[in-house]
Order: sequence, then C-alpha cells, then structure tokens
Amino acid sequence: EPEVTQTPSHQVTQMGQEVILRCVPISNHLYFYWYRQILGQKVEFLVSFYNNEISEKSEIFDDQFSVERPDGSNFTLKIRSTKLEDSAMYFCASSSDRGHGYTFGSGTRLTVV
Amino acid sequence: DQQVKQNSPSLSVQEGRISILNCDYTNSMFDYFLWYKKYPAEGPTFLISISSIKDKNEDGRFTVFLNKSAKHLSLHIVPSQPGDSAVYFCAACDSGGSNYKLTFGKGTLLTVNP
Repeated sequence: EPEVTQTPSHQVTQMGQEVILRCVPISNHLYFYWYRQILGQKVEFLVSFYNNEISEKSEIFDDQFSVERPDGSNFTLKIRSTKLEDSAMYFCASSSDRGHGYTFGSGTRLTVV
Repeated sequence: DQQVKQNSPSLSVQEGRISILNCDYTNSMFDYFLWYKKYPAEGPTFLISISSIKDKNEDGRFTVFLNKSAKHLSLHIVPSQPGDSAVYFCAACDSGGSNYKLTFGKGTLLTVNP
C-alpha cells in the first residue's frame, strides 16, 4: 500500500538553529500538507501546497517557516530559527484530487532544547 | 475557535460490544468528513470518510453516520476489539476549497477491554 515517508523520525536541535524536515509523498498525489501536534493537543494545519506553490497557510506558519518541493518527489518543511515552542510532532500528508486518499506520514518528533 | 469538537476525551468499552465515537462541527462549509486512528508516536491512519451527499458509509466493522442538520457525525465500531484501542480523530474539510485543508477535533481515546 502506498505510504508517505518522513525523515528523520526524531530530530533534536538547539534553539535558534535551522531544521529541515523531509517527506516523500505518495507519487501520484497532487496536494501536499504539513500539520503539527504539540504534545497533548490536537493536530493543527500548517500549510498546503499545490501546483508548486503554497495554496493556504495557517497563522502558525509565519516567516520562520518555508516549504519546498525541490525535485518532484521530496517535500520539505524548513524552520529557520527554531524556538522552544516549535517542539512538536510534525506530520506530512498528501492527497489526490478532491482530497481523496488523504494519507499521513508517521511524523517527525522535533525537540528544541 | 473549535470548528470540530469531540466532547468525549475518552471512552471505555468491553470487547465485542459497540463503540460509538461522536463529533460535532460548526462550519456549514464542511462537506467531507474523515475519521483517523492514531497510536502514540505514529501518524494518523485513515479509517473511513463520508461526503455530505450521504448519511452513512460502511466499511467492515466501521460505520460513519452523518446528520447534516445537527452538524453531527459518529463512528460506530462493531464488534470492538482490543486492537482498536487508540486515539480517534474526527476531521472535516471544505472540498469546495482549493486545498482540502483538514480541521481536526481534539480526539477521543478509546480503550477496548478484553
């Protein structure tokens, strides 16, 4: 069964450092997303990406965040200068047309110290 | 602003019985609803979805019911099994939008006791 792959599974970084979280979406999917879940809280939408551009972003997704699809298979989330409150599970997801087959990766646990 | 609400943080059910997980939404633009199951340190796993043109969708032991007038949906698991123990998230989407962003509820922890 097709799956969304995320690396690394766990990333520890010092406050102020840049991190890049990587995702390989399902190959024939058209829409790509990043969500996050702070411990004990609900899963929150960060950003959606379609046709090589951001289609929507939440208020969480400020100037410190960026996304890229550099090579047609990878989909990355970059946090330029991490803060303690960025510590969370980050989930990548992808879907085909009209939201069908909406599939999440297993997540990257980001710990900012 | 909780557009998707799961008012029961937890539910405990005996093996073999029915589990009923509830979800309410406030945004009338939502027309596509999904249920996900999540284990700790894993990503949400898709279970079942329903479009607003239907009021019921069934897949094996899982059935989702949608009451549009009440803005309420529920997930029924029959019979419940210990392996069903997990956090269940309800999610909603405005499929008429351009990006199919999901709005999640806070989740319900289901425990199925042997």
